[in-house]
Amino acid sequence: QVQVVQSGAEVKKPGASVKVSCKASGYTFTTYYIHWVRQAPGQGLEWMGKVNPSGGSTSYAQKFQGRVTMTRDTSTSTVYMELTSLRSEDTAVYYCARDLRNSDCLGYWGQGTLVTVSS
Amino acid sequence: DIQMTQSPSSLSASVGGRVTITCRASQSITNYLNWYQQKPGNAPKLLIYAASSLQSGVPSRFSGSGSGTDFTLTISSLQPEDFATYYCQQTYSIPPTFGQGTKVEVK
Repeated sequence: QVQVVQSGAEVKKPGASVKVSCKASGYTFTTYYIHWVRQAPGQGLEWMGKVNPSGGSTSYAQKFQGRVTMTRDTSTSTVYMELTSLRSEDTAVYYCARDLRNSDCLGYWGQGTLVTVSS
Repeated sequence: DIQMTQSPSSLSASVGGRVTITCRASQSITNYLNWYQQKPGNAPKLLIYAASSLQSGVPSRFSGSGSGTDFTLTISSLQPEDFATYYCQQTYSIPPTFGQGTKVEVK
């Protein structure tokens, strides 16, 4: 069965960077896009971007351009999301999700990673 | 970016009742519309994709309809495990955008 497992919670200071991992299993890793979505406390869902595990190409939301980098390691079936220049407004739960059919529909979600940005 | 507006923002309903949630897009998205359910402390879960297709394993009391700009999610007979927040998402154009959510509470 498809599983997506994320790394654990992080606490960072303003200005620092965070790198969250997302390990996929139960299917051929290079077949489907992986997306990242975040959710600030008590707020809705915000799409950050996606990575094609096959070739590594990416598409980012304009809001995060220049601050986010999504990469993949095909040897371990893992996708990474790095966010730099953190500020308090970046405090959120970050989710990775596998695309259902490469249609930007998010079929399989990780458990979420809480990133707290605080001085 | 395409704006997605859900209504209502919250509602109260009884077990066994029928619930309808509406999602409106700021422009036509044909049928590129998905619905998710999120319970507190959990990741969202895909319920409906392509406006009306039921995701595998999702109970048949959930259904979706609509095309163009107006869409609905219907729960035909609300069960205790259905109390949650529901989000619509358009995937017609990048970036995919979500509605603000509809919280379904116990009446």
